[in-house]
Amino acid sequence: SAVISQKPSRDICQRGTSLTIQCQVDSQVTMMFWYRQQPGQSLTLIATANQGSEATYESGFVIDKFPISRPNLTFSTLTVSNMSPEDSSIYLCSVGGQADYNEQFFGPGTRLTVL
Amino acid sequence: GQNIDQPTEMTATEGAIVQINCTYQTSGFNGLFWYQQHAGEAPTFLSYNVLDGLEEKGRFSSFLSRSKGYSYLLLKELQMKDSASYLCAVTDSNYQLIWGAGTKLIIKP
Repeated sequence: SAVISQKPSRDICQRGTSLTIQCQVDSQVTMMFWYRQQPGQSLTLIATANQGSEATYESGFVIDKFPISRPNLTFSTLTVSNMSPEDSSIYLCSVGGQADYNEQFFGPGTRLTVL
Repeated sequence: GQNIDQPTEMTATEGAIVQINCTYQTSGFNGLFWYQQHAGEAPTFLSYNVLDGLEEKGRFSSFLSRSKGYSYLLLKELQMKDSASYLCAVTDSNYQLIWGAGTKLIIKP
């Protein structure tokens, strides 16, 4: 299984600012995913981060608001831009497609609070 | 549209058995996952079913009926540490993972 770390683990930010979340994996992976999980709710996929090409965004999420970088096969960043209180959530990165059942492994998450 | 339904919350007693159901309607099917998520932590993989039948893994078992679009997760000999949310997720024909809202399981002594 992959070991995934995220930084920061939590942050409190002011409205209108931006925060970049980092995700590091201990092995090379093809696909990395960014999710949002709002309190008491399930996971919502924001985008798939592809190495060497632009991220693929899900409906309701746009690159201007959530720019993603994927400079190599072990690292990705997600930026939450021009934040509002509605962006308060847990942001999770995950990797998949590498294990026996094609299951995903998740990072510990970044808990974001926007004031 | 694509839809996964599971109960919002369930309560069970320590030492007992609980069954968490999941029904799905998706564009195609390429497997069903169950994940466990403790409060404040990331989801962790529990089980995978792609063929009909029961998969047993220790105290946890997962069942699938593709014709009925139905799965359940069975937890035996419940322990307090099993208090968590249990997420059902289905891979559709495009290998996109569709997530249920999760079932919060509360274990009482």
